[in-house]
Amino acid sequence: KNQVEQSPQSLIILEGKNCTLQCNYTVSPFSNLRWYKQDTGRGPVSLTIMTFSENTKSNGRYTATLDADTKQSSLHITASQLSDSASYICVVSSSGTYKYIFGTGTRLKVLA
Amino acid sequence: DGGITQSPKYLFRKEGQNVTLSCEQNLNHDAMYWYRQDPGQGLRLIYYSQIVNDFQKGDIAEGYSVSREKKESFPLTVTSAQKNPTAFYLCASSIIHNRVGNQPQHFGDGTRLSIL
Repeated sequence: KNQVEQSPQSLIILEGKNCTLQCNYTVSPFSNLRWYKQDTGRGPVSLTIMTFSENTKSNGRYTATLDADTKQSSLHITASQLSDSASYICVVSSSGTYKYIFGTGTRLKVLA
Repeated sequence: DGGITQSPKYLFRKEGQNVTLSCEQNLNHDAMYWYRQDPGQGLRLIYYSQIVNDFQKGDIAEGYSVSREKKESFPLTVTSAQKNPTAFYLCASSIIHNRVGNQPQHFGDGTRLSIL
């Protein structure tokens, strides 16, 4: 069964600190993996997209990694800001299908 | 600016009533999607469409209907047959899926539907 699991479910950190969010997937055949940021009451916004051959991609203070062998991805946030408070969703798509498999997200709260 | 517009932001449904959620995009994307988001669950696909006048059921299509008469528009009707419609509904669009490559889905800001 195609699944995407994220951990932790929620996380609280102090402003300025770093954090890492995890995503494990069992989707096959794999096409690409995306990380989205979703603010409360808004739609998700794309942060990074990685294909099989990519193992690191950065977008400002966000750095995603992908290990296609172990089927794991992480999203590292550097020097967190209050505006980073949001849900972060990992999404994996399967080759040749319309399907995007969504994780349940990690809810991040950054405190001043 | 290009984007996806969903309306209304909040919607209330009475017993036995059908309601329609609007989704419009000006990104010139071929593919459009409707998802349902419930607390503690990942987004679940209701319907998707790759081209005008064609659409396919997703994983949870029962109690919902869609139309795709124009490339820009993909309205979702929540019918009275959907017994648990309270949720956050998200519309998305993308370059057609079999050429999706590194292109993301673009999402609207959602419609929150509640039962009266």
